[in-house]
Amino acid sequence: GNSVTQMEGPVTLSEEAFLTINCTYTATGYPSLFWYVQYPGEGLQLLLKATKADDKGSNKGFEATYRKETTSFHLEKGSVQVSDSAVYFCALSLGTGNQFYFGTGTSLTVIP
Amino acid sequence: GAGVSQSPSNKVTEKGKDVELRCDPISGHTALYWYRQSLGQGLEFLIYFQGNSAPDKSGLPSDRFSAERTGGSVSTLTIQRTQQEDSAVYLCASSYLGGGTRFTDTQYFGPGTRLTVL
Repeated sequence: GNSVTQMEGPVTLSEEAFLTINCTYTATGYPSLFWYVQYPGEGLQLLLKATKADDKGSNKGFEATYRKETTSFHLEKGSVQVSDSAVYFCALSLGTGNQFYFGTGTSLTVIP
Repeated sequence: GAGVSQSPSNKVTEKGKDVELRCDPISGHTALYWYRQSLGQGLEFLIYFQGNSAPDKSGLPSDRFSAERTGGSVSTLTIQRTQQEDSAVYLCASSYLGGGTRFTDTQYFGPGTRLTVL
């Protein structure tokens, strides 16, 4: 089947610390991979995506590389800010018309 | 509007009552999805509409749940005889799965409707 497993939280970091949130997937085809972010009181927003192996998605200082050999799409940021505090969801899509398969979300709190 | 909108933003109802949740997708988007986000859980797929095709209802948890999409645009999710376990945030998303350069499998989400069943 298709599924996404992501690192359980909550994660608490000090400002300017390095962030990694692990995400691995199982898929029956060739998925596109996504990270969505949900800030407090807001809806899900696309953070970044990658559509094929070895692609790197990046946005707002966050990066994730599509690793087919390890079926992973780990989210990283070199220096987190208080404003990055949110819940992060890893997701996969199998392409045209398919639902997204989401991980359970990882809550990140960044303290000054 | 520019994004996906949902109404109401909050709904409190009594057990056993019916509720209707509305979603307005991004104009021109061909696909529309409903998800449910329960406290401490990930997103659970409910139903998917694409153009004039029959909807994919494989995620609906029971026959108390139904959805329709009128005119290929606005969608309504109906929950009949609500139960306390239906309490969750219901999210709608849309994407453009038509031909041409606008195609994208990225889903754009609305702010959600928080449903509380007392």
